[in-house]
Amino acid sequence: EVQLVESGGGLVQPGGSLRLSCAASGLTFTNYWMSWVRQAPGRGLEWVANIKQDGSEKYYVDSVKGRFTISRDNAKNSVYLQMNSLRAEDTAVYYCARRGLTGDWVGSWGQGTLVTVSS
Amino acid sequence: DIQMTQSPSSVSASVGDRVTLTCRASQGISSWLAWYQQKPGKAPKLLIYAASSLQGGVPSRFSGSGSGTDFTLTISSLQPEDFAIYYCQQANSFPFTFGPGTKVDIK
Repeated sequence: EVQLVESGGGLVQPGGSLRLSCAASGLTFTNYWMSWVRQAPGRGLEWVANIKQDGSEKYYVDSVKGRFTISRDNAKNSVYLQMNSLRAEDTAVYYCARRGLTGDWVGSWGQGTLVTVSS
Repeated sequence: DIQMTQSPSSVSASVGDRVTLTCRASQGISSWLAWYQQKPGKAPKLLIYAASSLQGGVPSRFSGSGSGTDFTLTISSLQPEDFAIYYCQQANSFPFTFGPGTKVDIK
């Protein structure tokens, strides 16, 4: 069974930084693109970032470009999201996500970690 | 970016009802569409991918159809565990975008 376990969320002041981690198990990690998807409280879903199996390609939604960085460590079966210059509108539950086998949908989700940006 | 819309925004239905939800893309996405179910406090769950393929373990009462810009998710006989929010998502081009969701609640 695939398990994705996020950590690193919490309360941070505007302009601050956080690093989210996601530990994957139950899958051949190097076979998959990995992603982060977020959901603001009471709102819909937003795809934040993608990273290719070997880390050579990364994509970001415009609202986080230049502030967030996705990375992965295949030796540790882990993916990360470094979030800098955080804004109130970044407040959300952040889900670690495994790309589907045949397309860019989410085949597996983590349980989510809450990031709250507030003074 | 491709915009996704869903209708209705909410629907009230009874157990046993047939329910059809609609999703529309702002431009053609072939069959690059997925449907998810989300219950309160939980992560979404993949139901349908490639517009009409049923994810493993998902009951056969769920089905998807459509291509291009117009898609539907049908629940053939609504069960108590199906009351949730349903999202569509385009997987044609990044940024992959989601619809705003349709809430299915108890009539």
